[in-house]
Amino acid sequence: QVQLVQSGDEVKQPGASVKVSCKASGYTFASYGINWVRQAPGQGLEWMGRISAYNGDTNYERKFQGRVTMTTDTSTSTAYMELRSLRSDDTAFYYCARDAILRYIGLFDPWGQGTLVTVSS
Amino acid sequence: EVVMTQSPAPLSVSPGERATLSCRASQSISSNLAWYQQKPGQAPRLLIYGASTRATGIPARFSGSGSGTEFTLTISSLQSEDFAVYYCQQYSTWPFTFGPGTKVDLK
Repeated sequence: QVQLVQSGDEVKQPGASVKVSCKASGYTFASYGINWVRQAPGQGLEWMGRISAYNGDTNYERKFQGRVTMTTDTSTSTAYMELRSLRSDDTAFYYCARDAILRYIGLFDPWGQGTLVTVSS
Repeated sequence: EVVMTQSPAPLSVSPGERATLSCRASQSISSNLAWYQQKPGQAPRLLIYGASTRATGIPARFSGSGSGTEFTLTISSLQSEDFAVYYCQQYSTWPFTFGPGTKVDLK
């Protein structure tokens, strides 16, 4: 079955960077894009951006541009999201989510289990 | 950016009752609207896309309707496993945006 497994929870100091991984299985990795969505504790969902696993093209939400980099490694079917210059308000669960339908951008399914990134001094 | 709003917040329902959730977009998004369900401690799950098409494996008691700026998710007969937070999301234009969610809890 299609599955996305994310790396473990992280604790970072303000100003540091974090890199979250998302390992895919059960489908042809390069055929679908990977999206990143975050959720502050007890809050709603915020789309951060998308990367095409086919050609590496990225689309970032404007508020994250300059601070986020999304990459993929097709040899290991893994997507990565790096967020730099962390602030306390970056404390959130970070989810990867595959494009739900082949060649259809904007729908997310399935999702990874989430990675909690805590930013604290 | 398209701003999504949802009502009511929250919605208290008894098992077996019908639940009707609303979502509004700040501009027309045609039928490019999805609904997700999120249970505590879990990732969201896609329920509905294209405003009215159920995703694979989603029970028939979930239905969606609407187009343009006004949308509705209906759960015809609420089951115990349906108590959760429901988010609408538009995918008509970048950036993709979510509503704030409607929590469906036990009356």
